[in-house]
Amino acid sequence: SYELTQPPSVSASPGQTARITCSGDALPKQYAYWYQQKPGQAPVLVIYKDSERPSGIPERFSGSSSGTTVTLTISGVQAEDEADYYCQSADSSGTNAVFGGGTQLTVL
Amino acid sequence: EVQLVESGGGLVQPGGSLRLSCAASGFTFSSYEMNWVRQAPGKGLEWVSYISSSGSTIYYTDSVKGRFTISRDNAKNSLYLQMNSLRAEDTAVYYCARDMSINSVGYFDLWGRGTLVTVSS
Repeated sequence: SYELTQPPSVSASPGQTARITCSGDALPKQYAYWYQQKPGQAPVLVIYKDSERPSGIPERFSGSSSGTTVTLTISGVQAEDEADYYCQSADSSGTNAVFGGGTQLTVL
Repeated sequence: EVQLVESGGGLVQPGGSLRLSCAASGFTFSSYEMNWVRQAPGKGLEWVSYISSSGSTIYYTDSVKGRFTISRDNAKNSLYLQMNSLRAEDTAVYYCARDMSINSVGYFDLWGRGTLVTVSS
């Protein structure tokens, strides 16, 4: 079955830039999406279609794509950004959604 | 207010059944495709099932095929998940999520708060 691979953890100090990667063979053909999830809460969409930001999401959140890897970048990390982040895409047929394993962002 | 509210979770024995519901409000439910996504305790997100806006197209993840059935009632603004032959590994918080795609599984811009399903004897 199709898989998306993320690093288990990433850390950054306040004001620094945090980058979270997600790799998958179908990513050149399928869009990637990113969700933020804080403890005890439902996920929140922060990036859609590789690099688009929903209304209400701070500009410090951005997304990019290169080949089989997509990247979520948080510029000027804030304490409130500490959360789990999940990438999501679809398999090549578009009939199954797939999530990455999640990355825990720690703000030092 | 635009929201999704799940209900129907609880404790069930292995082999048992449960029906989850998701009530939508604040938007035109019949225009959107919908999904169920689950999260086992301490684990990551797992997509479970998709249903098109009309209900004519349905997809499932392999681990629930033949056991779970997704459905919707657009007149009642509601989404359902009938879960049969439940296993311990089905224990999770189940979220309903609104899909922004057209005619395929896409991405989820609105989530409910989830309902906990525990499968245990």
